[in-house]
Amino acid sequence: EVQLVDSGGGLVQPGGSLRLSCAASGFAVDNNFMTWVRQAPGKGLEWVSVIYTSGSAYYADSVKGRFTISRHSSENTLFLQMNSLRTEDTALYYCARLGPPTNYHDSTGNYHDYWGQGTLVTVSP
Amino acid sequence: QSALTQPASVSGSPGQSITISCSGGYYDIGDYNYVSWYQQHPGKAPKLIIYDVRHRPSGVSSRFSGSKSGVTASLTISGLQADDEADYYCSSYTTITAFWVFGGGTKLTV
Repeated sequence: EVQLVDSGGGLVQPGGSLRLSCAASGFAVDNNFMTWVRQAPGKGLEWVSVIYTSGSAYYADSVKGRFTISRHSSENTLFLQMNSLRTEDTALYYCARLGPPTNYHDSTGNYHDYWGQGTLVTVSP
Repeated sequence: QSALTQPASVSGSPGQSITISCSGGYYDIGDYNYVSWYQQHPGKAPKLIIYDVRHRPSGVSSRFSGSKSGVTASLTISGLQADDEADYYCSSYTTITAFWVFGGGTKLTV
């Protein structure tokens, strides 16, 4: 059974850092495109970052240069290192898996098929 | 402001059908059949209910269906049930960034 368990959230002051973790089971994070998606309180979903099976990583403009996505193969865990945090980064952070490709020319599906339960990050003075 | 536009709320009575729209542009919904829909109950993680415009994952009720016309995608829920009351989000791949965007969400009241 596929499962994602998010952890690492908490209260941090502006300018501080946090490291989120997402422990996966039932599949290998190395073999899938993995993403982080966040949801500010009472707001909608916002894509934050993706790491490809190749290891290439990409970010939304709002977090570029401050956040770093990574993975640890032996622990089968995805991470999000968040530095220089701002009050607007306050949100529930979900890790999610991109599903299998549905076209022969794609490397991944373009839909998030499994989600963690989320971990809350609060940035406040 | 979300890249994809959804109505803030829709409502329906048990047994009825409702449709939620998701409007985008040429570089996302208009250009690819990579629209997905997610259901989110309060305090829960989003759940995938439609992918690639109209495909349902295993285990998702056939009461949920998706479609697309031009730059607008739609989610239809037939035979509304009390448990369908939730927030619904659309998403699409976009060539503007080569990543994924979400709609602002629609609250369904049954």
